[in-house]
Amino acid sequence: DGGITQSPKYLFRKEGQNVTLSCEQNLNHDAMYWYRQDPGQGLRLIYYSQIVNDFQKGDIAEGYSVSREKKESFPLTVTSAQKNPTAFYLCASSIRTRPGQPQHFGDGTRLSIL
Amino acid sequence: QQQVKQSPQSLIVQKGGISIINCAYENTAFDYFPWYQQFPGKGPALLIAIRPDVSEKKEGRFTISFNKSAKQFSLHIMDSQPGDSATYFCAATGETSGSRLTFGEGTQLTVNP
Repeated sequence: DGGITQSPKYLFRKEGQNVTLSCEQNLNHDAMYWYRQDPGQGLRLIYYSQIVNDFQKGDIAEGYSVSREKKESFPLTVTSAQKNPTAFYLCASSIRTRPGQPQHFGDGTRLSIL
Repeated sequence: QQQVKQSPQSLIVQKGGISIINCAYENTAFDYFPWYQQFPGKGPALLIAIRPDVSEKKEGRFTISFNKSAKQFSLHIMDSQPGDSATYFCAATGETSGSRLTFGEGTQLTVNP
């Protein structure tokens, strides 16, 4: 069954700590995305990648880092520089071949500060 | 230029009623307009989408109406059911956006039994 798997479902971060959120897809999609969702707000793009070994900053990239070493994997690291990391993080993927393709989402990771 | 404005922020409808959510955009290069449905603790799921070459698209109880000249599009949910209670997001993208989607702020829909 094809889809996007995000792990863990819940994550707690201590002050000064970096944490990494996992995102894996088996849809054979070229493009992958990370979004942040705060309560009662829309989705804000953190980073996206349209091809392996390449990625671009989204609208709120400060305090975050990503890598895209494999087509199926796009991990997000929330660094200690991100002062307000508590949020719901969503990973998505899509076919890259042309614009106007739907994005498919995972079920998110909820990050909280200890 | 890249924003998508969504309203209302929240909506309460009685079972069997019609739910209407509106979105407006500025970027005339947008040419794909999807709607997503999100339940608590889950990721958004694609509900229905439209391209500007048609003014309306219907899938079951869900209809998108599109007004290109006004740069507006809306989601209508007919015969709303309690199971439709969720947050709905409109979005837009186009040639100049690459594969990026611009999302509206979301509408929390509650359908009372």
